[in-house]
Amino acid sequence: KNQVEQSPQSLIILEGKNCTLQCNYTVSPFSNLRWYKQDTGRGPVSLTIMTFSENTKSNGRYTATLDADTKQSSLHITASQLSDSASYICVVSARMDSSYKLIFGSGTRLLVRP
Amino acid sequence: DTGVSQDPRHKITKRGQNVTFRCDPISEHNRLYWYRQTLGQGPEFLTYFQNEAQLEKSRLLSDRFSAERPKGSFSTLEIQRTEQGDSAMYLCASREESGDYGELFFGEGSRLTVL
Repeated sequence: KNQVEQSPQSLIILEGKNCTLQCNYTVSPFSNLRWYKQDTGRGPVSLTIMTFSENTKSNGRYTATLDADTKQSSLHITASQLSDSASYICVVSARMDSSYKLIFGSGTRLLVRP
Repeated sequence: DTGVSQDPRHKITKRGQNVTFRCDPISEHNRLYWYRQTLGQGPEFLTYFQNEAQLEKSRLLSDRFSAERPKGSFSTLEIQRTEQGDSAMYLCASREESGDYGELFFGEGSRLTVL
């Protein structure tokens, strides 16, 4: 069964600290992996997209890694800010017949405290 | 272009009533998706359109749900005879037809509360 699991479910850190969010997937065949940031009550916003051949991609203070062998990805946030408080959703794309299907994780809720 | 817009942002209705949500995608995007998201969960796929053709529907989309994209531009999602379990955020997203790598742009969502 195609699944995307994220950990931790929630996380509280102090402003200025770093943190790492985890994503494990059992999706096959794999096409690409995406990380989204979703502020409370808003739609998700794309942070990164990585294909099989990419193992690191950065977007400002956000760095995503991908290990396609172990089917794991992580999102590292450096020098956290209050505005980083949000849910972070890992999404894996799988090739299904002639189309692609996005499988969403349940997200990690991050709270950055001053 | 202001991105994907959804209307209304919030809707409170009584059980048994019909509701309709509208989505205006980014103008050059020919793919349009509807998702449903409940608290603490990731979005769940409902249906998607390529231009005006509805190419896939999830089993989550019961007979009470119908979606249209009549001219390949805006789309509507109608829920008939709403139930309390329909309470959720309904997200619309759009993208260009660029294989599987294209970025998916989400709207701000329409939050439905069924009393």
